Amino acid sequence: QKEVEQNSGPLSVPEGAIASLNCTYSDRGSQSFFWYRQYSGKSPELIMFIYSNGDKEDGRFTAQLNKASQYVSLLIRDSQPSDSATYLCAAVFGNEKLTFGTGTRLTIIP
Amino acid sequence: KAGVTQTPRYLIKTRGQQVTLSCSPISGHRSVSWYQQTPGQGLQFLFEYFSETQRNKGNFPGRFSGRQFSNSRSEMNVSTLELGDSALYLCASSTGGQRSYNEQFFGPGTRLTVL
Repeated sequence: QKEVEQNSGPLSVPEGAIASLNCTYSDRGSQSFFWYRQYSGKSPELIMFIYSNGDKEDGRFTAQLNKASQYVSLLIRDSQPSDSATYLCAAVFGNEKLTFGTGTRLTIIP
Repeated sequence: KAGVTQTPRYLIKTRGQQVTLSCSPISGHRSVSWYQQTPGQGLQFLFEYFSETQRNKGNFPGRFSGRQFSNSRSEMNVSTLELGDSALYLCASSTGGQRSYNEQFFGPGTRLTVL
């Protein structure tokens, strides 16, 4: 069983709409969760991190964490074509290793 | 401040050879982590070095090894290359303190092709 699971997509969203990306994880002891964005041919870049239950907002991005249900999500409001990328969910487990999901490919349709 | 640099950017090797990849972290960063990225397995953790010591290790065979120097630069070595080792190898640096993953930066990667 994969420790961090994501829907691989592709997920297509019209420009201006809300893109919703989801991730589940297996370790209830996980404390730290991250969302990375990776453009094709580029390296991942960190866009959000969240430690506590609830929502965390940063500009057009909102990360949501629900530890009881073991899921974390990323919402992108007012989606732009430049948001088209693969989004990687990651979690730090008790062994302190950063474990990634396989990523969701997001395409914003103009 | 300069970012994380990796050399070489591209590498072609044949089965059975060995390869050494280099990573220079952001100035002041003492932790360097290495990852392998493939289309099938995604991004997988190889190992982390902090202050010249391996602090954490992923589930890769012993053919994969690494080291870190006193200036925090790190190298990883893969011996007896296999076709399945073809991948993008990424290194990432951070300060290495508690919760330093929230300021971890990736390098551009080394694309290794094994023929």
